[in-house]
Amino acid sequence: QVQLVQSGPEVKKPGASVKVSCKASGYTFNSYGITWVRQAPGQGLQWMGWISGYNGNTDYAQKFQGRVTMTTDTATSTAYMELRSLKFDDTAVYYCARIYCDGGSCHSNWFDPWGQGTLVTVSS
Amino acid sequence: QSALTQPASVSGSPGQSITISCTGTSSDVGIYGLVSWFQQHPGKAPKLMIYEVSKRPSGVSNRFSGAKSASTASLTISGLQAEDEADYYCSSYAVGHTVLFGGGTKVTVL
Repeated sequence: QVQLVQSGPEVKKPGASVKVSCKASGYTFNSYGITWVRQAPGQGLQWMGWISGYNGNTDYAQKFQGRVTMTTDTATSTAYMELRSLKFDDTAVYYCARIYCDGGSCHSNWFDPWGQGTLVTVSS
Repeated sequence: QSALTQPASVSGSPGQSITISCTGTSSDVGIYGLVSWFQQHPGKAPKLMIYEVSKRPSGVSNRFSGAKSASTASLTISGLQAEDEADYYCSSYAVGHTVLFGGGTKVTVL
């Protein structure tokens, strides 16, 4: 079955970086992309961007441009999301999800399935 | 862009139908047929319930249906069941190559 398994929880200090992984299985990795969505404690969902599994094209939400980098390792069907210059309000559960793409373009909100989530806590 | 607008809560008795609205603008819901709905149980990851306004992924009950009129989308749950109690989020593709989410609606089964 299609499955996304994310890395474990992280605790970081303000100003540090975090890199979350998302390992895909059960489908052809380069036929879809991976999108990242975060959810602060008790809050709603916030879209961060996507990366194509076909050619590595990316599109980041304006709020995160310059601070986020999404990459993939097609050999291991794993996607990564790195967020830099962490602030206290970056504390959230970070989710990856498979996204429908048309080649290297993933302009869609067909997100299915989702990973289990990774809690990133920013604390001094 | 601002988030899409959803009611904070909706409730209904078992067997009833409820509808959750999702109001956007002419820059998102109003011009794109890319509205999705996600269900999230406490402590769990979201699950895709509806995509492209009214399509159901394989495995999702036909008690869930979606529609859109102008800049407002809606999710209807018919034959409400205890397992439907969860948070529901709408999402729309938007001008500027971005994806917006609503603030979420808590569905309570009385």
